[in-house]
Amino acid sequence: DIQMTQSPSSLSVSVGDRVTITCRASQTISTYLHWYQQRPGTAPKLLIYTASNLKRGVPSRFSGSGSGTDFTLTITSLQPEDFATYYCHQSYSTPFTFGQGTRLEIK
Amino acid sequence: QVQLVQSGAEVRKPGASVKVSCKASGYTFTAYFMHWVRQAPGQGLEWMGRISPNTGGTTYAQKFQGRVTMTRDTSITTAYMELTRLGPDDTAFYYCARVDSDLSFDSWGQGTLVTVSS
Repeated sequence: DIQMTQSPSSLSVSVGDRVTITCRASQTISTYLHWYQQRPGTAPKLLIYTASNLKRGVPSRFSGSGSGTDFTLTITSLQPEDFATYYCHQSYSTPFTFGQGTRLEIK
Repeated sequence: QVQLVQSGAEVRKPGASVKVSCKASGYTFTAYFMHWVRQAPGQGLEWMGRISPNTGGTTYAQKFQGRVTMTRDTSITTAYMELTRLGPDDTAFYYCARVDSDLSFDSWGQGTLVTVSS
């Protein structure tokens, strides 16, 4: 199974901050890496697909990069609605696997 | 618009089974794989398996092999996930999620809470 290691597990940040979350795969996954946002009590929501493509309707302050084994999600100028948990997900091979999640908390 | 609407919360005793449904609308049901992902309270996301609504073919995570069955009814555009021999560790939200051509989960159901308690 491909292990996804996401860091940090939590981050204390302020509105307006720039945030970078990293995700590392235990083997190459090309660009089959996706990012989701999950707010408490709701289902995850797709933000970025295939490493760097912004889903329609997602604000442009979200961006993704990487290929192979190392990936990043960047949020520029954090907004109040961005305080949530973020997960990376690989779909290169089954079983599909997720990172452990990064929780953004208000400083 | 794509919608996945899941059945309501369930409570089961240890050893029992549960079957969760996921009603799809707004797209061609047979054209996209449906996956199931679960999340224990306060924990991360765990992939359980997938079904091809077109062929009925399934792939399950090894952890759930022998305990999970995914099926579909194309006449009512609904996917199902049945989990047997439930234990307390199976208490979780269960989500259905549609996979797009790029293999991302582009649409999710609202989740079904399954509570296993004696």
